[in-house]
Amino acid sequence: QVHLVESGGGMVKPGGSLSLSCAASGFAFSDYYMTWVRQAPGRGLEWVAFISSSGAAIHYGDSVRGRFTISRDNARNSLYLEMTSLTAEDTAVYYCVRKNPVTPDYWGQGTLVTVSS
Amino acid sequence: QSALTQPASVSGSPGQSITISCTGTSSDIGSYNLVSWFQQHPGKAPKLIIYEVTKRPSGVSNRFSGSKSGNTASLTISGLQAEDEADYYCCSYVYSSAFPLVFGTGAKVSVL
Repeated sequence: QVHLVESGGGMVKPGGSLSLSCAASGFAFSDYYMTWVRQAPGRGLEWVAFISSSGAAIHYGDSVRGRFTISRDNARNSLYLEMTSLTAEDTAVYYCVRKNPVTPDYWGQGTLVTVSS
Repeated sequence: QSALTQPASVSGSPGQSITISCTGTSSDIGSYNLVSWFQQHPGKAPKLIIYEVTKRPSGVSNRFSGSKSGNTASLTISGLQAEDEADYYCCSYVYSSAFPLVFGTGAKVSVL
């Protein structure tokens, strides 16, 4: 049974940094592309970043490129998102999502990031 | 890459059928049979209900069906039930070197 559990969310001041983690279980993590998707309060879904199974290919959404870094540790079955220079516009629930191979098929429960002074 | 266009809201009475459209371009929906649909209840994570235009994951009700014509994909919910009240998002593969997936704007389904 596929299970994705995000952690690391919380409140941070504008300009600050935060790191998110996603623990994966129930599937061969190293075989799948993984992604981060976010959803601002009352808004739609937005792609943040995705990373290939080996970590060699990475893509970022326009709104986070240069500020966020996605990475993975296949030995630990874990996905990460390092976020810097945070602004109020980054306030959202962040979901860890498996990509199979094109379809985003399994989603974690999400972790809330609030950027506020 | 611009978001796929969905109606903001769709409503129907219990037992009726409703259809949610998802309009893209020839670079995404029009060129690939890689459209998926997600259902999201308030405070919950999105759940995959349709993938590759017409396929249903195991456990998803057969009241949900997908189709595509040209640059527009559609999700039909038949025999509408109160539990179907939720937000629905489409998603498509898109030919892009920057980011190969795009979401729809989302549609709120209300059961009257």
